[in-house]
Amino acid sequence: DAMVIQNPRYQVTQFGKPVTLSCSQTLNHNVMYWYQQKSSQAPKLLFHYYDKDFNNEADTPDNFQSRRPNTSFCFLDIRSPGLGDAAMYLCATSSGASDPYEQYFGPGTRLTVT
Amino acid sequence: TQLLEQSPQFLSIQEGENLTVYCNSSSVFSSLQWYRQEPGEGPVLLVTVVTGGEVKKLKRLTFQFGDARKDSSLHITAAQPGDTGLYLCAGARYKLSFGAGTTVTVRA
Repeated sequence: DAMVIQNPRYQVTQFGKPVTLSCSQTLNHNVMYWYQQKSSQAPKLLFHYYDKDFNNEADTPDNFQSRRPNTSFCFLDIRSPGLGDAAMYLCATSSGASDPYEQYFGPGTRLTVT
Repeated sequence: TQLLEQSPQFLSIQEGENLTVYCNSSSVFSSLQWYRQEPGEGPVLLVTVVTGGEVKKLKRLTFQFGDARKDSSLHITAAQPGDTGLYLCAGARYKLSFGAGTTVTVRA
């Protein structure tokens, strides 16, 4: 089945220690998104790639970076995690055609910062 | 400021009861989507509504898009414990904006 895969499902890192979360997709979608979701809140878009074009949200901290080496994979790098970065990180894809922007989400990575 | 307001924030009902979740905005959307998210998982797309006044049915779930394309509702008939989850609406303009979600708990 075509899907969005995120690894690991659970990640524990230390305060200030860089961490990388990964996402892969078999949907062959043009667009890949990274969201941060804290408990009982809406997913917050951090950035997205349309093919190789990177689009950063204005309020995304510099501490968060992303890489998309090919169509299938996308990585989220947190350079110096703080306690406030503990959250669920969701990867999503969409075909890239214009509206309705239907997005397909992975299962998420739960990040704990100690 | 949240572009989309969902209400209620929490809803707990008995199995077999009906429920309605609302999603409201002052902005016009070209389409609106509903997702369900179970604990520890990513959101799963349930439906997309595109036309003002549109009604879509998915088994016991009925979705309606307001005539002015600013609001939407989700109605569940005869709720089951499997309907438990976080229901998110998301409106599309030039990008997708999510509401804060409604946590639905259906007690057996």
